[in-house]
Amino acid sequence: EAAVTQSPRNKVAVTGGKVTLSCNQTNNHNNMYWYRQDTGHGLRLIHYSYGAGSTEKGDIPDGYKASRPSQENFSLILELATPSQTSVYFCASGELQGFYAEQFFGPGTRLTVL
Amino acid sequence: AQKVTQTQTSISVMEKTTVTMDCVYETQDSSYFLFWYKQTASGEIVFLIRQDSYKKENATVGHYSLNFQKPKSSIGLIITATQIEDSAVYFCAMREGIDRGSALGRLHFGAGTQLIVIP
Repeated sequence: EAAVTQSPRNKVAVTGGKVTLSCNQTNNHNNMYWYRQDTGHGLRLIHYSYGAGSTEKGDIPDGYKASRPSQENFSLILELATPSQTSVYFCASGELQGFYAEQFFGPGTRLTVL
Repeated sequence: AQKVTQTQTSISVMEKTTVTMDCVYETQDSSYFLFWYKQTASGEIVFLIRQDSYKKENATVGHYSLNFQKPKSSIGLIITATQIEDSAVYFCAMREGIDRGSALGRLHFGAGTQLIVIP
């Protein structure tokens, strides 16, 4: 069954430290997305990718980098983590099949920056 | 600019009744796609139902249906015969249309509505 997995599921980091969140999908989708979820904001797009080697900025990219080394993997990198980046992060994959395709979400990563 | 608004923060209903959750959106696209997602207590986000802007018929999947009112830029989610397991947070989302040159497939989400089904 197609799936999107994320690791780690929970992470505690210190301010100024580097954090890498990983996402793997077996859907064979070209498109992948990173969102963060905060109370009152729903899901907001951080970075996305059209395929291996590509990354694009979303609505709130400041403080984040992304890496798409392969079709299956998409990472979100916080070079210098700050407490404001404490949030739940979701990865998703999707495809443009006749422009109808929904996105499939991973289980989320809860990140706490102290 | 694309924007999705859900004004209902929380709704409580009795089991087996019908509930409607509201969503309004803003877009300049001539065609677009609207989705509803459900987030369970465990945090899992699952796709429920979608509506294509050029279709006049309201989408229906199981006990979920949509009330699409294009002139009002409104897409309500209707759940009939609610069950305890319908208790969750429901997100409305809009996808940019095919006439937009970048970020194809990206979604704009509302803030969500928490549904509480009371036994």
